[in-house]
Amino acid sequence: NAGVTQTPKFRVLKTGQSMTLLCAQDMNHEYMYWYRQDPGMGLRLIHYSVGEGTTAKGEVPDGYNVSRLKKQNFLLGLESAAPSQTSVYFCASRQTVRGDSPLHFGNGTRLTVT
Amino acid sequence: SQKIEQNSEALNIQEGKTATLTCNYTNYSPAYLQWYRQDPGRGPVFLLLIRENEKEKRKERLKVTFDTTLKQSLFHITASQPADSATYLCALHTSGTYKYIFGTGTRLKVLA
Repeated sequence: NAGVTQTPKFRVLKTGQSMTLLCAQDMNHEYMYWYRQDPGMGLRLIHYSVGEGTTAKGEVPDGYNVSRLKKQNFLLGLESAAPSQTSVYFCASRQTVRGDSPLHFGNGTRLTVT
Repeated sequence: SQKIEQNSEALNIQEGKTATLTCNYTNYSPAYLQWYRQDPGRGPVFLLLIRENEKEKRKERLKVTFDTTLKQSLFHITASQPADSATYLCALHTSGTYKYIFGTGTRLKVLA
């Protein structure tokens, strides 16, 4: 049981390049989330999904797009990377929408945009 | 505006002592509060959850309190060990939303 798996683990992009971060979960969770974590800022929600085929904006969605074509996968895309998107990106999932349903996180993707 | 505050300075304590971490919030009415542990280079891992109508929750050496009047949660680790060294995050969930809001975390270092 792998839980939440993120690929790649590290990536360096030049300004203007695009990339897709992949998140896969094997727990049959309905809800999936993308966060970014920056020093002194904590975890900030980028986008989330409440089920297959649905997505919604979080706190900091600008510059990112997402897709949830399959229940187990949640993709985060950067169409034209900017240095401000240098960060560590975490994907998370949870079983229900109830507040007592904890988040299960992947181990992150460290992205540097030069 | 809504804000969650955790002590941004690292907390250093001696092995065997009790570590106490604080999570303060303003302009929220959380129904649930969770605590997570994050090790360097890893994602956060869920530790404990407390509901708004609960005052205290325990799990082994961990204890969480929740005071909705003070708008504060305290996280205690008793008989601390060097292996407890990590960053600890609190997260609030408000009823009717799909989201958790996280604090910035407090780094704990337990000295042998």
